[in-house]
Amino acid sequence: GAVVSQHPSRVICKSGTSVKIECRSLDFQATTMFWYRQFPKQSLMLMATSNEGSKATYEQGVEKDKFLINHASLTLSTLTVTSAHPEDSSFYICSARQGGDEKLFFGSGTQLSVL
Amino acid sequence: AQTVTQSQPEMSVQEAETVTLSCTYDTSESDYYLFWYKQPPSRQMILVIRQEAYKQQNATENRFSVNFQKAAKSFSLKISDSQLGDAAMYFCALRNSGGSNYKLTFGKGTLLTVNP
Repeated sequence: GAVVSQHPSRVICKSGTSVKIECRSLDFQATTMFWYRQFPKQSLMLMATSNEGSKATYEQGVEKDKFLINHASLTLSTLTVTSAHPEDSSFYICSARQGGDEKLFFGSGTQLSVL
Repeated sequence: AQTVTQSQPEMSVQEAETVTLSCTYDTSESDYYLFWYKQPPSRQMILVIRQEAYKQQNATENRFSVNFQKAAKSFSLKISDSQLGDAAMYFCALRNSGGSNYKLTFGKGTLLTVNP
């Protein structure tokens, strides 16, 4: 099956710094990528949808200035958590959709801890 | 708005036995897709099975099968001959098929324990 690589798998940062998370589709072109957030023992909550070459669509309640999403190519989307605070600590997961395919392929996730 | 409800926070099963995980959903759309995803301790999301709402036949993938009751908006997952590797969090998810929106709505999950 298709592979989505997410990096880093774990990051610890100080409060006030920015963190970038990368999501790459390794063997297919991803027309659409999605970013989710998952708190411990809870479900995945969609944060935003990004289409290559256009601005991301954010879900209600997600701060677009805090969670910057860039989908500059068909194989790469990035999520930047700006001025991170302890409440941003969470597990972030990306997924990618190959054009015309109904399947979503998930990255392995990034555990962000903000001290 | 669409919702997905998993009423069983935790379930357990003996190895080699059968277990059924429940899922109900609500959507105003007539055409949609339903999914079961597995999230093991590694936290990698893995697609277990998919069902198109327009298909009456229940989907089957090896030891995994679903009981799709469209009128009742129910979509349960049956795992036969349970194996230790089946232990994971299982999420039911719904996607409307219209337009270019590929938004998945997830349930809260069911933690499955498999006892040896």
